[in-house]
Amino acid sequence: DVKVTQSSRYLVKRTGEKVFLECVQDMDHENMFWYRQDPGLGLRLIYFSYDVKMKEKGDIPEGYSVSREKKERFSLILESASTNQTSMYLCASHPGHTEAFFGQGTRLTVV
Amino acid sequence: RKEVEQDPGPFNVPEGATVAFNCTYSNSASQSFFWYRQDCRKEPKLLMSVYSSGNEDGRFTAQLNRASQYISLLIRDSKLSDSATYLCVVKGQGFSFIFGKGTRLLVKP
Repeated sequence: DVKVTQSSRYLVKRTGEKVFLECVQDMDHENMFWYRQDPGLGLRLIYFSYDVKMKEKGDIPEGYSVSREKKERFSLILESASTNQTSMYLCASHPGHTEAFFGQGTRLTVV
Repeated sequence: RKEVEQDPGPFNVPEGATVAFNCTYSNSASQSFFWYRQDCRKEPKLLMSVYSSGNEDGRFTAQLNRASQYISLLIRDSKLSDSATYLCVVKGQGFSFIFGKGTRLLVKP
């Protein structure tokens, strides 16, 4: 079974903190994604990566950055957390033409 | 027109009922289609892929209509455990997936 693992299920951070969300997949997938999910807005793509050191902005990249130094790991960075970044963050990976596989999600609260 | 549209529901149905959801998509070049299920506070999980010829998996049937640009999901003999949000997902020629906002299903005894 494909496994996508996010480093934390729940996080509480203070406004202005730098926040790292880590995601690791064990199936050698090229493509990895970060989404946030909010009630009434569905899943929105923040960033994606199709190869090591490659990254592309999604629909809502402002306030975020990403890092992909190794194929299996894709990190999302909140440079200076704000309360409007309180959300559920979902990491996903996929090999190309089949479905995407999701991590268990990180529920981030910024206070 | 939004890229992927779904009726948000909720659809309230009794156990044993048959329920159908539709999803429309705007990009005629879309290549792959999926239905995901998401339970409350959990990650989305693949329910089934949707093939041009239609496909069935037990009580679930998915259909694709390219001419009208919609996909459908039919659930027969609904169970309490089918209560969840069902996400329609469309993949184009690029790397990313486009998600609908989901249709909420509540199956009641």
